[in-house]
Formats: sequence, C-alpha cells, structure tokens
Amino acid sequence: GQQVMQIPQYQHVQEGEDFTTYCNSSTTLSNIQWYKQRPGGHPVFLIQLVKSGEVKKQKRLTFQFGEAKKNSSLHITATQTTDVGTYFCAGLGTGGYNKLIFGAGTRLAVHP
Amino acid sequence: NAGVTQTPKFRVLKTGQSMTLLCAQDMNHEYMYWYRQDPGMGLRLIHYSVGEGTTAKGEVPDGYNVSRLKKQNFLLGLESAAPSQTSVYFCASSYSVRGAYSNQPQHFGDGTRLSIL
Repeated sequence: GQQVMQIPQYQHVQEGEDFTTYCNSSTTLSNIQWYKQRPGGHPVFLIQLVKSGEVKKQKRLTFQFGEAKKNSSLHITATQTTDVGTYFCAGLGTGGYNKLIFGAGTRLAVHP
Repeated sequence: NAGVTQTPKFRVLKTGQSMTLLCAQDMNHEYMYWYRQDPGMGLRLIHYSVGEGTTAKGEVPDGYNVSRLKKQNFLLGLESAAPSQTSVYFCASSYSVRGAYSNQPQHFGDGTRLSIL
C-alpha cells in the first residue's frame, strides 16, 4: 500500500546548528503537508506544498517539494530550543476526503 | 474558540472493558478523523467521517467503532479493550475538499492517553 517514509527518526543538534528531515513517498503525491508536534502536545499544521519543485519559507524553516512530487524536505536554519518536537510529513491518501498518510516523524532534540 | 476538544485526557482500562472517547469541534468542519499514535509509527487513521451520519474505515479499524450523530461530535468506541490498543488517540477535523486530490489542514485535539492492562 501507499507509504510515506521519513528520515532520520531522531536528530540531536546543538543550538545554532542546522537540521533537515526528509520525506519520501512510494507514489507520486498531489501535495504534501508538514506538521509539528511539541513533546506531550498534538500535531499542528505548518504548511502545504502543491507544485512540483515548490519551495516555501517560514522564517528559519524552508520546505521543498521534489520535482517528481515523490519527496519533500524541511530544513531549519540555526535551530533554537523552541524548535524541539517531532516533525511529520503527510501525503494525501487514496480515495480523497482529505485523508492523510503520515510519515513516522523525525524527533528533534536541541541542546543549548 | 475551543477548536477540537477530546475527553477524557487519560484513561486506564482492564482487558475486556469497553469505553467511548468523545471528540467535539466548534469550527463547523465537515470532516472528522480518529488516529492512533504509537512510538515510531506516526499517526495511523482508524476511522473517519465526511459528514453527519456517515463513517468509513481507515487504515487500522479493527477493534473500534465510531458514530457521528451530530456534525460537531465524533465518538470512538472500544467494545472489548485489548492491550494492543494501548496508545495515544487523536481526533482531528477539517473543512471539506473539492476533488479527490485537494487538501485542507487538519486540526487536532490534545489527545487521549489510553492504557489497557
């Protein structure tokens, strides 16, 4: 079945270092969403990418959608302790109705 | 504006007991979803609803039932709890979409942490 794979599973960085998480789909995606979940919290929507090769920025966060629409990445420049959490990518599942297939997530730890 | 509210927040059950998790949203969303989150496995869709009175199976529906009698509420039931159902359960809602390939952000509740002994 359709799968969304995410690497790495866990990343530990020093504050100020950069961080990147990668998302790969077994099928071509119509679009991809990214969510952030703080420890003990719930997933919160960050952004959606729709177009092939699309790049979007939110302050220190840069999101990319691959040319073939099968992969995506999230890059954080100069991490801060507030960036701690798990980052999930999610692709649209089969059958519509806004169903999402989530990656397993990348847990980011930032040490001051 | 409360968004998506889940009750209870925590619960411990014994194997074989039943319970119902409640999800309520005040955003007038058409679509609602139940997920379970297990370590290293992300979020997996249990059941979903695209409108009042409708429900459908997701990726991992076995052992669960749902009902959506009112647009704002989506109930998840465990008829006979098993230790394998120990998890964190999240409810989410979203606006409806036009077309099979469009997306809307999903809004999540705070989750229910369920332990089954």
